[in-house]
Amino acid sequence: GEDVEQSLFLSVREGDSSVINCTYTDSSSTYLYWYKQEPGAGLQLLTYIFSNMDMKQDQRLTVLLNKKDKHLSLRIADTQTGDSAIYFCAESGSGNTGKLIFGQGTTLQVKP
Amino acid sequence: ETGVTQTPRHLVMGMTNKKSLKCEQHLGHNAMYWYKQSAKKPLELMFVYNFKEQTENNSVPSRFSPECPNSSHLFLHLHTLQPEDSALYLCASSQEGVGNYGYTFGSGTRLTVV
Repeated sequence: GEDVEQSLFLSVREGDSSVINCTYTDSSSTYLYWYKQEPGAGLQLLTYIFSNMDMKQDQRLTVLLNKKDKHLSLRIADTQTGDSAIYFCAESGSGNTGKLIFGQGTTLQVKP
Repeated sequence: ETGVTQTPRHLVMGMTNKKSLKCEQHLGHNAMYWYKQSAKKPLELMFVYNFKEQTENNSVPSRFSPECPNSSHLFLHLHTLQPEDSALYLCASSQEGVGNYGYTFGSGTRLTVV
């Protein structure tokens, strides 16, 4: 079946890099996504990667995709206190039906 | 503002009340979704609508009743709720076949059942 797993919590110091990991099961997913949820808000699309890519960089964000191991990671360089949030990994699932499968979310705590 | 607007932002209701949550999008999306987010639990997909037709109901209790009058509006009617229904209710929309845009979420309605 379809399943997306993430570790629940990560704590880093301001200025360090953060790496949030995710594993997924559906190898036919066309897109994989990272969403950010700040306290009291909805989920905001942070970035995505197309399944035929290994890496995507967008300013401080780097997404790495290992299709063989079905592993996705999000690296945030120079982590700031404003990056404290819950980060959700999601896959587009079989056949790009429009139904996203979300992980349970990783809470990132950034200490000053 | 993401393009998906949810009202109200906060709602406190008694177990015998009837209330409705509203979601509106003007992004031209065809699909709309209701999610429940409880503390320390994964996101729970409740309902999916495609072109106004309900295509998914994930065993949601009948005290939650969705309505999708058109592709831009989605409602969640609530009646005789339980305290365990207290949660953040999120609405999302997408194009048919999500592509690189994924879902666009609203800010949610924080529901407290007393």
